[in-house]
Amino acid sequence: SQQGEEDPQALSIQEGENATMNCSYKTSINNLQWYRQNSGRGLVHLILIRSNEREKHSGRLRVTLDTSKKSSSLLITASRAADTASYFCAPYTYNQGGKLIFGQGTELSVKP
Amino acid sequence: DGGITQSPKYLFRKEGQNVTLSCEQNLNHDAMYWYRQDPGQGLRLIYYSQIVNDFQKGDIAEGYSVSREKKESFPLTVTSAQKNPTAFYLCASSKQGPPEQFFGPGTRLTVL
Repeated sequence: SQQGEEDPQALSIQEGENATMNCSYKTSINNLQWYRQNSGRGLVHLILIRSNEREKHSGRLRVTLDTSKKSSSLLITASRAADTASYFCAPYTYNQGGKLIFGQGTELSVKP
Repeated sequence: DGGITQSPKYLFRKEGQNVTLSCEQNLNHDAMYWYRQDPGQGLRLIYYSQIVNDFQKGDIAEGYSVSREKKESFPLTVTSAQKNPTAFYLCASSKQGPPEQFFGPGTRLTVL
């Protein structure tokens, strides 16, 4: 099964700044998802990008996918204190049968 | 409201005791998953089930057991054989096909 590796492990920014997190993976994928986890809570699905897509937007989120580099990035624009959370990527291939493998995530801290 | 629930939110166990964590979903999802999360770490898959009356071991199944007698329910038993059970346990569910997973709020288990 495919596991993503998020980078950096921790990121601290001021409110209003943009936050960029990266995800790298090892083999070809069919799609890649990003999830957010607030402290002590379950994960929340943010966005899914398919292998034939290069960029996708959802509100203040922008996800890019570069299959040639086997990497994805999540950009949060105009960050808010409420964006403080851990962010996980989950690359996926159909032969995983629904299983997702999560890395250690990027811990984002947005200071007011 | 549709969703996935876990109970209890906090659970304390004495060494040598088995405990069962509850996970219920009313999303009509076929697949359900159990993950373990240790502090500052990502999620590790314990067990998953794609269909009623069938389940498979994940990466860290030793010391755990599950059942899937109903589509809505996927309880996890942490047995006394689990050497270090103190952790945050997350349950998730998904439809067959799309890999997007919906997570419950989690159960924090502490062994005293």
